[in-house]
Amino acid sequence: GENVEQHPSTLSVQEGDSAVIKCTYSDSASNYFPWYKQELGKRPQLIIDIRSNVGEKKDQRIAVTLNKTAKHFSLHITETQPEDSAVYFCAAANANSGAGSYQLTFGKGTKLSVIP
Amino acid sequence: DSGVTQTPKHLITATGQRVTLRCSPRSGDLSVYWYQQSLDQGLQFLIHYYNGEERAKGNILERFSAQQFPDLHSELNLSSLELGDSALYFCASSVGFNTGELFFGEGSRLTVL
Repeated sequence: GENVEQHPSTLSVQEGDSAVIKCTYSDSASNYFPWYKQELGKRPQLIIDIRSNVGEKKDQRIAVTLNKTAKHFSLHITETQPEDSAVYFCAAANANSGAGSYQLTFGKGTKLSVIP
Repeated sequence: DSGVTQTPKHLITATGQRVTLRCSPRSGDLSVYWYQQSLDQGLQFLIHYYNGEERAKGNILERFSAQQFPDLHSELNLSSLELGDSALYFCASSVGFNTGELFFGEGSRLTVL
């Protein structure tokens, strides 16, 4: 099955700096890579996703890059703000119309702390 | 609010006991997924149901079982509970069965004493 490794497990940055979180996956059939943000005591929420036919995607201060050859993808947050403090999870899945199921395999998470 | 409802929010029980966690998906979503979140293990996939049919099993123990009812709500049954079963159990739903955003509920925190 799929295995997703995520680094670092904790990350502290000064407000205004950039943060980068990296993930690798093992299954070459995976073609969908979402990122979820989980604030303390809350549910995970999708913040951005990318499919394997795209190399990069941006949404305001958040961007995700994908390198299919190396099987890794990264989350980039620019101009970090205190409200960006949360646990971020990367995930991978084979979102294939022929598949009978769709299960996200998550990384173990990165706790991001943005210091004011 | 994701539209996914989970009950109970908190549950404290003793080893050896059995509990049932309930999930109502978003209106219109046919898929329900269960995930277990422990401190050091992240989000572990347990099981996926689509329109009442089991579609995939992950790392679900034999002591655990689930089902999805005709009204699409789902229940996760945990029996012969052990201390290590203490975790946050999330239900998520999606429209289809092979793609798309998962919408998570607020979770049920289970504490086994």
